[in-house]
Amino acid sequence: AQKITQTQPGMFVQEKEAVTLDCTYDTSDPSYGLFWYKQPSSGEMIFLIYQGSYDQQNATEGRYSLNFQKARKSANLVISASQLGDSAMYFCAPGRGIKAAGNKLTFGGGTRVLVKP
Amino acid sequence: EPEVTQTPSHQVTQMGQEVILRCVPISNHLYFYWYRQILGQKVEFLVSFYNNEISEKSEIFDDQFSVERPDGSNFTLKIRSTKLEDSAMYFCASSEGFKTAGELFFGEGSRLTVL
Repeated sequence: AQKITQTQPGMFVQEKEAVTLDCTYDTSDPSYGLFWYKQPSSGEMIFLIYQGSYDQQNATEGRYSLNFQKARKSANLVISASQLGDSAMYFCAPGRGIKAAGNKLTFGGGTRVLVKP
Repeated sequence: EPEVTQTPSHQVTQMGQEVILRCVPISNHLYFYWYRQILGQKVEFLVSFYNNEISEKSEIFDDQFSVERPDGSNFTLKIRSTKLEDSAMYFCASSEGFKTAGELFFGEGSRLTVL
């Protein structure tokens, strides 16, 4: 079974500053992916970014980037230039590797981010 | 942009009643999922479905639950004889499966309240 740890239950960040959300995981799968999702107060789950375990470069997607340290089993999400609309819960979720047929995700407990104006 | 749609957005039911939650996944996706989130808790996997059969299920997904793809577009979750602890947000998701990283696209959820 996969274990996911998001150690920060809640964080405040000043608008326009960067914030780093921690995620560590424990998986025995040789090939896997790390997914981050955002859940605003309206409740929907929004896919943000993906990192494959064999990807050499850290993933980036607009203002989102992953600080992936495979040996430490760590995949921290960095949100740059925070905006008020970034206030939400953020979930880290390991899943199966790229091109996997079917992808059960196991979600961490989440980190609540509040962006202050 | 294609999206996963779920109905109803909110359902209130009496304990012991049967509930059917409906989902229309993204049309070219091959894998379908149900997750649930009890208020204030993490999102939990229930079941995945591929090629008209369950591909994986969690221990939460017991005989009380069933899934079905009755036609080419709908994907349903049936909960027989609901219990108070079934109160949660239920998310349907789909993924393309073979070409991409396998990211799941979620619907907006169906909130189930069991009284």
